Amino acid sequence: AQSVTQLGSHVSVSEGALVLLRCNYSSSVPPYLFWYVQYPNQGLQLLLKYTSAATLVKGINGFEAEFKKSETSFHLTKPSAHMSDAAEYFCAVTFMNRDDKIIFGKGTRLHILP
Amino acid sequence: NAGVTQTPKFRILKIGQSMTLQCAQDMNHNYMYWYRQDPGMGLKLIYYSVGAGITDKGEVPNGYNVSRSTTEDFPLRLELAAPSQTSVYFCASSSGGGQFFGPGTRLTVL
Repeated sequence: AQSVTQLGSHVSVSEGALVLLRCNYSSSVPPYLFWYVQYPNQGLQLLLKYTSAATLVKGINGFEAEFKKSETSFHLTKPSAHMSDAAEYFCAVTFMNRDDKIIFGKGTRLHILP
Repeated sequence: NAGVTQTPKFRILKIGQSMTLQCAQDMNHNYMYWYRQDPGMGLKLIYYSVGAGITDKGEVPNGYNVSRSTTEDFPLRLELAAPSQTSVYFCASSSGGGQFFGPGTRLTVL
């Protein structure tokens, strides 16, 4: 069965430090992968997506993620954290079947320390 | 484009009451979805639709119903509300390759 695992329900980094949010997936077919961000009291916003083109994907707000098939990973990174990055981040996977259903990870809340 | 809109933003229901959560999208997307989000549990799919007139159950459909009479609208109906349905509800739409979410409805059942 397909699934998504996000390591760490809470991650804290200092302002200006590297952000690394981990995501691993399991799939028997090539996946499409997404990162979504949710700011407090808002809906989910698409940060970036991997759809089998370039393995390094750049998204909004300086975030990027690298698809590593050998490690079944799609970790999200940002070189320098900003206070405005504090939010919850969801990794998700779909298989581009007829219903485009997405399987979400449980989320990682990112805290930025001043 | 307004994207995906949801009404109401907040609602308090008494046990046993019914209500309809409205969702509309103006992107001409075929696929639409309803999720609920509970703290620490991520998003769980309630129902989805691949086009007007077609709906199907997701992971947690019990206590809910949907209809899809037009491409734009996908209302979610709660019959006989229960405290376990206290949650934040999100509607989303897609044309394939990523879903767009509405701002959510925060529902409390007392």
